[in-house]
Amino acid sequence: EAGVVQSPRYKIIEKKQPVAFWCNPISGHNTLYWYRQNLGQGPELLIRYENEEAVDDSQLPKDRFSAERLKGVDSTLKIQPAELGDSAVYLCASSPGVNYGYTFGSGTRLTVV
Amino acid sequence: DQQVKQNSPSLSVQEGRISILNCDYTNSMFDYFLWYKKYPAEGPTFLISISSIKDKNEDGRFTVFLNKSAKHLSLHIVPSQPGDSAVYFCAATNTGNQFYFGTGTSLTVIP
Repeated sequence: EAGVVQSPRYKIIEKKQPVAFWCNPISGHNTLYWYRQNLGQGPELLIRYENEEAVDDSQLPKDRFSAERLKGVDSTLKIQPAELGDSAVYLCASSPGVNYGYTFGSGTRLTVV
Repeated sequence: DQQVKQNSPSLSVQEGRISILNCDYTNSMFDYFLWYKKYPAEGPTFLISISSIKDKNEDGRFTVFLNKSAKHLSLHIVPSQPGDSAVYFCAATNTGNQFYFGTGTSLTVIP
């Protein structure tokens, strides 16, 4: 089993530039999450998908962040334009359903300079 | 508002001894709790979980204890091994809609 695959692993961009992250969840996992983890903090939920539907995006900064999961499988998270405070690790996780533990990807470490 | 708290940022334990990692939560509606382990440059990996209907769950060297009245859970690792050195996050949820994570405890097991 490949696990949750994220790319790229690292990204360095200048502020005001756009950036996109990609996630391929475990096959058959209908639930997909994007989390952001700042240094020294626990992961914080940005958005949760059930299949292709975003069922919880209340903590996604919608002025600059967007996400999609068009076919209910892989997902992209975009930031446009990026700000210095967006530097963090962006984690994707998937789950077979509620009350199952997540499986996390290795994350994308974003540095905005 | 931090609903899940891990008040010890770090912990050092001698190999072979017991490691006890603590976690407190504020939301009495949480009904499912998990511990994750995270190595550098990797995503968190699931370690062990416990439902609110139980007060203990054991898996090999790992045991999680839940005290609902105190809103407290702990992870015991016995015996501790150098490979257990990692950051440990506790997480809690109400019906799995969203997991709330603590800030993590960095465990160092000294050979």
